[in-house]
Amino acid sequence: QAVLTQPSSLSASPGASASLTCTLRSGINVGTYRIYWYQQKPGSPPQFLLKYRSDSDKQQGSGVPSRFSGSKDASANAGILLISGLQSEDEADYYCVIWHNRAWVFGGGTKLTVL
Amino acid sequence: EVQLVESGGDLVQPGGSLRLSCAASGFIFSSYSMNWVRQAPGKGLEWVSYISSSSSSSFIYYADSVKGRFTISRDNAKNSLYLQMNSLGDEDTAVYYCVREDCGGDCFLDYWGQGTLVTVSS
Repeated sequence: QAVLTQPSSLSASPGASASLTCTLRSGINVGTYRIYWYQQKPGSPPQFLLKYRSDSDKQQGSGVPSRFSGSKDASANAGILLISGLQSEDEADYYCVIWHNRAWVFGGGTKLTVL
Repeated sequence: EVQLVESGGDLVQPGGSLRLSCAASGFIFSSYSMNWVRQAPGKGLEWVSYISSSSSSSFIYYADSVKGRFTISRDNAKNSLYLQMNSLGDEDTAVYYCVREDCGGDCFLDYWGQGTLVTVSS
């Protein structure tokens, strides 16, 4: 079982909200981790969006709109990237990342389609 | 402006070797830990290796998939990061990104280069 699991794809309409999940493997408690989120558009390297551990321990990337926010669902053992007011430019791949056992671990990525 | 420019990517035969370089500028290179992250064509991101700012042997880490085959190193005098890749296989075909790690508060991967393509094929 992968350390981080993301749905492979998600579709949403312009102006709507999209909730991208990042589920941690059983036995790895989401509460103890900072979760980092990255956006990648075709042909470009990933860009840092934000990091989230708790409401008192979070950071937005430089220039990242407040439409992007992070949270956690402890009951699902998951991190969440919420994108509100979807725009066509938000169409991209999104990756969650944690530092685990002396390694950066990436989720498989979610391809977000805005249509 | 922070810049990371990778080079050295090429077409190489299975079992071959390749050395990637990353030229850093716009920041105090010796103060930052660095990483290599790769992305196979059409696939997701995979962390490859980490080296601390001091390049101490106690602070070098590798993904299991490359351990024993790849060697990360750095030359702080030249503001450069390297990845020596040996015994290359098809599974190593990917774009390799040089990535800075910012540990101002906690640590995270903040700046990425544009990547260099490694193709392993006969």
